[in-house]
Amino acid sequence: KQEVTQIPAALSVPEGENLVLNCSFTDSAIYNLQWFRQDPGKGLTSLLLIQSSQREQTSGRLNASLDKSSGRSTLYIAASQPGDSATYLCAGTGRDYGGSQGNLIFGKGTKLSVKP
Amino acid sequence: NAGVTQTPKFQVLKTGQSMTLQCAQDMNHEYMSWYRQDPGMGLRLIHYSVGAGITDQGEVPNGYNVSRSTTEDFPLRLLSAAPSQTSVYFCASSYSDRGGTEAFFGQGTRLTVV
Repeated sequence: KQEVTQIPAALSVPEGENLVLNCSFTDSAIYNLQWFRQDPGKGLTSLLLIQSSQREQTSGRLNASLDKSSGRSTLYIAASQPGDSATYLCAGTGRDYGGSQGNLIFGKGTKLSVKP
Repeated sequence: NAGVTQTPKFQVLKTGQSMTLQCAQDMNHEYMSWYRQDPGMGLRLIHYSVGAGITDQGEVPNGYNVSRSTTEDFPLRLLSAAPSQTSVYFCASSYSDRGGTEAFFGQGTRLTVV
């Protein structure tokens, strides 16, 4: 069964730091990978989607990469700001759940706190 | 620009009651799904649908029913609520279940069963 691990579980940094969040999969047969942001009591906001033929995606200060051979993904946040404080979730689609590529398998998240 | 809309946002049920959580999307997405989010467990798939009239079970389907009579709507029914179903429920949709389509989530329904 596919399992997703996110490290660290929590991270506190001063404003302005560059940081890396990690995500790893037990089964490297990942089709697509998506990073989400979740604010307390809110839904999930999609940040970046890495499709099966891609290795990385960038949006503003965010860069996500995927190494399928090792089953690992990283989310890089440049020049962090207090507004970046949230829980970050990674999720992949694979061959679980009857092979539907739409079914997401989630990590438990990294709770990020950026202090002014 | 509604996206994925879930109702209600909050609900308290008594053990044994039934209810339906509503989910609607206005993006003409084929694929829809329901997840529950519990502390320390992450998000887990309950049921999913790859198109109108087609549904299938996810990781934790027991105690829940779904149907998909239209492309837009994917309601989740709790047949006889139990305290173990206290959770936050999220509905998601994407254009299709084939290759690299972005998933969009609703704002969630926070359910408490007493």
